[in-house]
Amino acid sequence: GAVVSQHPSRVICKSGTSVKIECRSLDFQATTMFWYRQFPKQSLMLMATSNEGSKATYEQGVEKDKFLINHASLTLSTLTVTSAHPEDSSFYICSARVGDSDTGELFFGEGSRLTVL
Amino acid sequence: GQNIDQPTEMTATEGAIVQINCTYQTSGFNGLFWYQQHAGEAPTFLSYNVLDGLEEKGRFSSFLSRSKGYSYLLLKELQMKDSASYLCAVVDSNYQLIWGAGTKLIIKP
Repeated sequence: GAVVSQHPSRVICKSGTSVKIECRSLDFQATTMFWYRQFPKQSLMLMATSNEGSKATYEQGVEKDKFLINHASLTLSTLTVTSAHPEDSSFYICSARVGDSDTGELFFGEGSRLTVL
Repeated sequence: GQNIDQPTEMTATEGAIVQINCTYQTSGFNGLFWYQQHAGEAPTFLSYNVLDGLEEKGRFSSFLSRSKGYSYLLLKELQMKDSASYLCAVVDSNYQLIWGAGTKLIIKP
């Protein structure tokens, strides 16, 4: 199947710093990528939908100025957590949709565990 | 509102068969996904159903009844490595994914 790579897998940072997480589709072009966060023992929470070449669509309650998303190419989307605080510590996961159909199969990255001290 | 219901936890024995149910009430329907997620890892794709009926893939099968708003994931010949959470997700009329909270499956020897 298609491969989505996410980097870094783990990151620890100090409060107030910014962290960038990359999501790459390695063997296909992804017009649409999705960013989720997941707290322990909870389901995935969609943060935003990232479309190549346009602004991301954020879900209600997600601060777009805090979670900056850039989808500059068909194979790369980035999530930057700006001025991170301990409450931002979470498991961040990206996924990419195969093909142009809105019901195309989703493949997930490995996830990035962010710990803010 | 939109709602996906699946059991929180299930236990089964190695070598046995288990069925994980998912019921949904969503604004429209454009397909249903099942994903497997091991603790601390990202989900991996298992199946996608958009038409009624049973789709079989090796040890895993997925069933859909759109009229009943119901799906199940059937796992046969259970192995210890099948211990994981199983997530049901529905594509609604806006092509957004609505996620269930997941079913934690515990396999005992």
